Amino acid sequence: GESVGLHLPTLSVQEGDNSIINCAYSNSASDYFIWYKQESGKGPQFIIDIRSNMDKRQGQRVTVLLNKTVKHLSLQIAATQPGDSAVYFCAEMLLTSGTYKYIFGTGTRLKVLA
Amino acid sequence: GAGVSQSPRYKVAKRGQDVALRCDPISGHVSLFWYQQALGQGPEFLTYFQNEAQLDKSGLPSDRFFAERPEGSVSTLKIQRTQQEDSAVYLCASSLDQGFSIDTEAFFGQGTRLTVV
Repeated sequence: GESVGLHLPTLSVQEGDNSIINCAYSNSASDYFIWYKQESGKGPQFIIDIRSNMDKRQGQRVTVLLNKTVKHLSLQIAATQPGDSAVYFCAEMLLTSGTYKYIFGTGTRLKVLA
Repeated sequence: GAGVSQSPRYKVAKRGQDVALRCDPISGHVSLFWYQQALGQGPEFLTYFQNEAQLDKSGLPSDRFFAERPEGSVSTLKIQRTQQEDSAVYLCASSLDQGFSIDTEAFFGQGTRLTVV
């Protein structure tokens, strides 16, 4: 099937190495951020989230870092595995006039080399 | 089912045809979103429902796009007089609450891939 990440920036890493995926967000008032993983032919899948009152949050093999000063998020994946190959998106939660939405970044395609 | 379900998975429409895409959110989820994802791009917001109320439709690209959620559960995205630029994956997501508290994870379906020929 078609790859969802056909025209996206690509990060290639060796299996077992650590991966760092970066994202810039747009709204300084955003309070909540999510990293999603999207495999070809599937919808985005939640990986990890972080609130704006935190700088760092760790999950299983994943860590998210938030730098509000420069509006930057990063996702670190430890000991990258072939199953980590996918497109990764950051999303910020934007509250407006009593409603809300998730705004997605442009995405990064992660390729894990055996 | 346990997750968000969308149907059909694939839809081919001739230019000018009307299409209807269905989303079954997770049971009990208040919030429902529709997104459009073009090839090689991130999802773009189309519209948001809180129960049956459509609170935000600012992302709908034209008046040919219409969405409804009449009973606050299943939602349908309708596209009238489809055009080639409508070709994309249409994603539906649902979330448990109304977004007034953060930590409101959105769960996505697998999407409907629409191809207009």
